[in-house]
Amino acid sequence: EVQLVESGGGLVQPGGSLRLSCAASGFSFSVYNMNWVRQAPGKGLEWITYISSGSSTTYYADSVKGRFTISRDNAQNSLYLQMNSLRAEDTAMYYCARGADYFYYMDVWGKGTTVTVSS
Amino acid sequence: DIQMTQSPSSLSASVGDRVTIACRASQSISTYLNWYRQKPGKAPKLLIHTASSLQSGVPSRFSGSGFGTDFTLTISSLQPEDFATYYCQQTYIAPWTFGQGTKVEIK
Repeated sequence: EVQLVESGGGLVQPGGSLRLSCAASGFSFSVYNMNWVRQAPGKGLEWITYISSGSSTTYYADSVKGRFTISRDNAQNSLYLQMNSLRAEDTAMYYCARGADYFYYMDVWGKGTTVTVSS
Repeated sequence: DIQMTQSPSSLSASVGDRVTIACRASQSISTYLNWYRQKPGKAPKLLIHTASSLQSGVPSRFSGSGFGTDFTLTISSLQPEDFATYYCQQTYIAPWTFGQGTKVEIK
């Protein structure tokens, strides 16, 4: 079964850091692009970052650029999101999502992990 | 950044109704347009990619059309599991952007 499972969410103080992980199984992780998408409570979806299959290309939304870093370990079938200088507005459910080649649509999603930034 | 605008923001419909949701891009995005359905408390699910291609396993009551800046998602006969929020998304130019969502409620 194709599956993505996020972990690492939790409560963190403003200005703090957190590292999210996404474990992939059931497909050849190393050949797929990957993304993180978040959703603040009661709000819509916000794409935040992308990484190509070989890590050569990354993109970020302006809202997280310079604070968040996406990375992957293809040997471990894992995707990561390092989040620094967290703000209250980063409070959200964070989803990892597999990206298709060429057209970049997101065809497999994890269930998400919740990040709460609060003092 | 490319802005995506969906209409309506919400609608009420009955089981069996035909429903159409519109999505407009602030600039041409060719066919780099995708549709997702999100049920409450669940992750989004891809329904349509590249404007009109039905994702594998998605029922044929869903269809998409459009090119350039104007796109539509049509549900030919609304089913109980379709009461949810629908999002369009462009993947033409990063940052990939979503529409604000259309909530489909039971009439």
